Amino acid sequence: DTAVSQTPKYLVTQMGNDKSIKCEQNLGHDTMYWYKQDSKKFLKIMFSYNNKELIINETVPNRFSPKSPDKAHLNLHINSLELGDSAVYFCASSQETTGRDYEQYFGPGTRLTVT
Amino acid sequence: GQSLEQPSEVTAVEGAIVQINCTYQTSGFYGLSWYQQHDGGAPTFLSYNALDGLEETGRFSSFLSRSDSYGYLLLQELQMKDSASYFCACDSGGYQKVTFGTGTKLQVIP
Repeated sequence: DTAVSQTPKYLVTQMGNDKSIKCEQNLGHDTMYWYKQDSKKFLKIMFSYNNKELIINETVPNRFSPKSPDKAHLNLHINSLELGDSAVYFCASSQETTGRDYEQYFGPGTRLTVT
Repeated sequence: GQSLEQPSEVTAVEGAIVQINCTYQTSGFYGLSWYQQHDGGAPTFLSYNALDGLEETGRFSSFLSRSDSYGYLLLQELQMKDSASYFCACDSGGYQKVTFGTGTKLQVIP
């Protein structure tokens, strides 16, 4: 069974379009994250949710809107896509209540290419 | 803010030992993690140090010195499959974010 899954794995779209990435974890974790990894491999947190509540909201354009319908799912919607949004987006999860939020489990990533 | 610096690339010979360093500057610090990421893959958790000293997990060991704001990952008996990027990451506890370092690309050569 896949622990953290993301769909789609690849996303190629044109500037100005709106797209969504979905993430699901079956680990029973209470915290989920979205990270962006650019071409230089810098891994930067975008958002974090704990039990469906937004905890971390980094300086991210408001074109990016996360949604957590329940604690096993965290989706990312991106409006008006720009060339600079091209990157790999990783979803991750961890269990904060055990104090092991440093041990994060990552999904396979979604490679977004904006043309 | 938080920043973690690592060497960008390291090359080592199969069977040898390699050390990947990480220095950090943080406004709050609970511990240092290490993650491995193969090309095209996802980061996977390797180890965590909350206290000073060496933690060993098989061929991999991780070290932390809180007074020096410094840690390293030690890989022994290198194998070709160890070729990957390695990231250190620090956390400030609770709901604070985990901040990742700049990453070190390790190339293991025959």
